[in-house]
Amino acid sequence: GAVVSQHPSRVICKSGTSVKIECRSLDFQATTMFWYRQFPKQSLMLMATSNEGSKATYEQGVEKDKFLINHASLTLSTLTVTSAHPEDSSFYICSAMPFSNTGELFFGEGSRLTVL
Amino acid sequence: QQQVKQSPQSLIVQKGGISIINCAYENTAFDYFPWYQQFPGKGPALLIAIRPDVSEKKEGRFTISFNKSAKQFSLHIMDSQPGDSATYFCAASSRGSQGNLIFGKGTKLSVKP
Repeated sequence: GAVVSQHPSRVICKSGTSVKIECRSLDFQATTMFWYRQFPKQSLMLMATSNEGSKATYEQGVEKDKFLINHASLTLSTLTVTSAHPEDSSFYICSAMPFSNTGELFFGEGSRLTVL
Repeated sequence: QQQVKQSPQSLIVQKGGISIINCAYENTAFDYFPWYQQFPGKGPALLIAIRPDVSEKKEGRFTISFNKSAKQFSLHIMDSQPGDSATYFCAASSRGSQGNLIFGKGTKLSVKP
């Protein structure tokens, strides 16, 4: 199956700093990429939808100035958590949809962010 | 109407038994129903998926049963193994949603040896 790579898998940062997480589709081009947040023992919560070359669409309650999403190419989307605080600590997961648009989404391995 | 309701929240099954997880939806526009398996600290991995034009799909030990009139679908894991212990999420999406999946809350499956 298609592979989505997410980096870094774990990151620890100090409060007030910014952290960038990369999501790459390795063997396909993705029209759309999604970013999710997952708290322990909970389901995935969609944060935003990004399409290459256009602004991301954020879900209600997600601060777009805090969670900056850039979808610069058909294989790369980045999520930057700006001025991170301990409450931003979470598991962030991306997914990508190939051009074929069959509905099938491929997920990255996730990035564990810990803000001290 | 966008919700996907999943049950049970947790499930304990003996090795060799059948694990059954159920999901229900309201939105009749949904036309894609995948199941994802997630191990701790990892991203979800697509297990099996179905579209409304069939009532059942089987891949190895995993079977999806789909009841369009009842707006329900379920995952059956035959001959459950300890390695199947994970959290399982059902999901649904519609063609007009750009692939935006609506996830159930998940079921934590434990298969006892």
